[in-house]
Parts: sequence; C-alpha cells; structure tokens
Amino acid sequence: KAGVTQTPRYLIKTRGQQVTLSCSPISGHRSVSWYQQTPGQGLQFLFEYFSETQRNKGNFPGRFSGRQFSNSRSEMNVSTLELGDSALYLCASSMEGGETQYFGPGTRLLVL
Amino acid sequence: SQQGEEDPQALSIQEGENATMNCSYKTSINNLQWYRQNSGRGLVHLILIRSNEREKHSGRLRVTLDTSKKSSSLLITASRAADTASYFCATDALGGYNKLIFGAGTRLAVHP
Repeated sequence: KAGVTQTPRYLIKTRGQQVTLSCSPISGHRSVSWYQQTPGQGLQFLFEYFSETQRNKGNFPGRFSGRQFSNSRSEMNVSTLELGDSALYLCASSMEGGETQYFGPGTRLLVL
Repeated sequence: SQQGEEDPQALSIQEGENATMNCSYKTSINNLQWYRQNSGRGLVHLILIRSNEREKHSGRLRVTLDTSKKSSSLLITASRAADTASYFCATDALGGYNKLIFGAGTRLAVHP
C-alpha cells in the first residue's frame, strides 16, 4: 500500500500571501490530521477531518483552515502568511477507529 | 501547548549500548505512541501502548507505561548508528478524535 503523500514538499512564499497544502491518505483511511512542527513550539495539532467533517481543532488562528474531500484527500490553507508560519507541516491518516496515525513526509514552508 | 515532557533532551551513546528515553504527560489517555523522526522528515510510528497495558515489546524496542505516574519510557537495546534520530512520545487523549499531543522529543546520536 502506498503511504501518505503530501504535495508540494517544499514551498517558499512571502508575507501576506496564502498557501494551500495537499495530503493524500493511505487508501482506505478516512481520518486525516494536520500538524505543524517548528523548532520553538514543537509538534502541534492543527485539525482533524473524518468523512469531510472537521471533528477537532487545535489552538491556531482562523487563518489556518482545512477541508476534506469525498475521496478522503485533504487540503489545508493558510491565508495572510506571517514569518512565524514557517514550519514543517505534517499530515497523518488513520483508519476509522484506528489508533495509529501514519505520517506523510511533510511540506516544508518558508515564509520570507 | 504540549502535554508531554521528555528527557533527556539529547542523548549520545556508542553503538551496541542501550538508550532509554522518558516521557511524562498530564491528562488521562487512551494510548501513548512513540515515533521516530530523521532529520526533519516525516514521523515513523514505532510502537503503541494502550492505557491498560504496562509493557510492550517490538524487536529491539521496549516500552513501559505507568498511568499512575503519567509516564512512559522507551528502551532501544543494542543501538545502531541507523537509530540516530529524534524520538517523540505522543498521547491520544480521551475523546480526542485522533488529536495527538507530542512531547518535545529526545535527540539520539549513536556513534559507530
């Protein structure tokens, strides 16, 4: 089975722009979670989607949003980028009722 | 904010030695998982231990969980240079809908 894939792998943006990141879960997995990793704050939960519904959200401003499609693929969007949004963004998928989350390789975003 | 605290923050050992990492958390959990990350890449799932389990083994890995102390330890026996990575514990809180809370991680360096 193919693993979790994320696109793009690297991205450079400037302050004020917006960005969309994509995540394709493992086939058959319906839950997709997103995390932000920075040197200062570590790994932090952004949100989780299941069957196109956001079930849980972390403590991030409204500039961070996401969605999930009927094929379980998910996107996250960050609007009005700030320098502090520079991070590795990781998505993870899991089966319905599954306990283990499987992570993708991440998208490294640099905001200049 | 992160729930878990890990110690040590960094660990340097020789090949063949054992490596022990500790993790503490704050709230009641469904399970606790350990992940490995190589050089800022995606997270690789190592092992999951449920809240009603006390010890679990997988190959050279041994994990313990003490829910009364809200702590866990990961032991890697007979370390290899390829084990050099950052190791994170993550807790899945009750009712969390796949919201993992990560510790700050332990950077392990195994020298040949």
